[in-house]
Parts: sequence; C-alpha cells; structure tokens
Amino acid sequence: AQSVTQPDIHITVSEGASLELRCNYSYGATPYLFWYVQSPGQGLQLLLKYFSGDTLVQGIKGFEAEFKRSQSSFNLRKPSVHWSDAAEYFCAVGGGGADGLTFGKGTHLIIQP
Amino acid sequence: KAGVTQTPRYLIKTRGQQVTLSCSPISGHRSVSWYQQTPGQGLQFLFEYFSETQRNKGNFPGRFSGRQFSNSRSEMNVSTLELGDSALYLCASSLYPRSVNEQFFGPGTRLTVL
Repeated sequence: AQSVTQPDIHITVSEGASLELRCNYSYGATPYLFWYVQSPGQGLQLLLKYFSGDTLVQGIKGFEAEFKRSQSSFNLRKPSVHWSDAAEYFCAVGGGGADGLTFGKGTHLIIQP
Repeated sequence: KAGVTQTPRYLIKTRGQQVTLSCSPISGHRSVSWYQQTPGQGLQFLFEYFSETQRNKGNFPGRFSGRQFSNSRSEMNVSTLELGDSALYLCASSLYPRSVNEQFFGPGTRLTVL
C-alpha cells in the first residue's frame, strides 16, 4: 500500500530564511508526487508535482522540490520565506491507480517576523 | 474559468441525522473525487465518480455514499451521523478518472456533528 510520511508536524522559520519540508513516501511503482498548500479555511492548492524526468521540480510561489528515488524522498524547499507562506503543507503520492491520492499528515509552517 | 464549488460551506448536524454535501466541478471536468480531512486521520480518499459511476472507493463504511449527475455535479451523503464524522469534506475535480496529476480542490464543507 502507498503511504507518505511527513516527519515534522510543526516548523518555525524566520521571515527571509530558507525552508525545507521533508517528505518520505512508499509506493510500489513509479510514483506521482505532489506538494499542496492549505491556508486556514481554504481548500488545497497545488504547489508542484513530479511525474518523471528532471528530479528537480519548480513550482509556484518560488517553491521547488527534489525527487530522490534512492531515499524515497520528495522534499520541498524555498530559498527565502515570506509571512504569507504560513500555512499547512501536504505531500501526496498517487499513481493513477484506484486509491486516489494518499496524503501525509501535513506540516504546519509558522513564520516568525 | 470558475473553480470547484462546494455547498454548503458549513453544516451542523446531530448524531443519527443524515447529511448531503454538493460539489460542482470545473466546467468540462468529468471526474469528481471526495476526501475527508480530520485532525486525527488527516486527508483520506472517500470515492471517485466518473460518468455517473463510482470508479473506486476508499476504506469507509457504507454510511458514506455518493452519486454523480449527468452534468458532472456530485453529491455525497452520510447517513446515521456519528461524532467522528465531524470533518472537512473536500471535493476535487479532474478531466479524466484517476487523473491524480490534475486534480483541483474546492474549499470544502465543514461538517460538525453534535
């Protein structure tokens, strides 16, 4: 069965500092990997996705993620965070199969001024 | 192009009642998936509909059901509500079934069961 682990429940970062959110996945075949962001009271917004090819993926809002097959990881990064980045971030895996997307439990990002 | 819309946005029910939630997908999208989000279990896949047929279903009891209409709008129903059904219910639409690569999410319906 597919699964996603986001080891950090909460992360606090100072505004302007760099950010890395961790994601590890388990999937039997080539995975489709995603990062979503959820602001309070909002639905999920897709930040970026990986299907194949270049392992470094660029997304919206200045985010990027790197797929590392050997480590089963898909970590999200941003070189300089803004106060508006404070939100809940979800990593997800899916393969077009019958189970929809499988999400991690999320990482709550807090931005310190 | 309008996004995915969900109605109502907030709902309060009591145990034992039933509830129906509605989702209107993006115009032209024919697949609708439903997810339940709770603090304890996180985001979990409920089911997916395409062309008025349920294509797959997550690990939820039979109290959770849904349907899709010819215009691709979808409803989900929860009967005999339990306290544990309190959650944010998210709907996502895509052009094709199992297109996890192109799912667009609505704002959700917040259900509170008292």
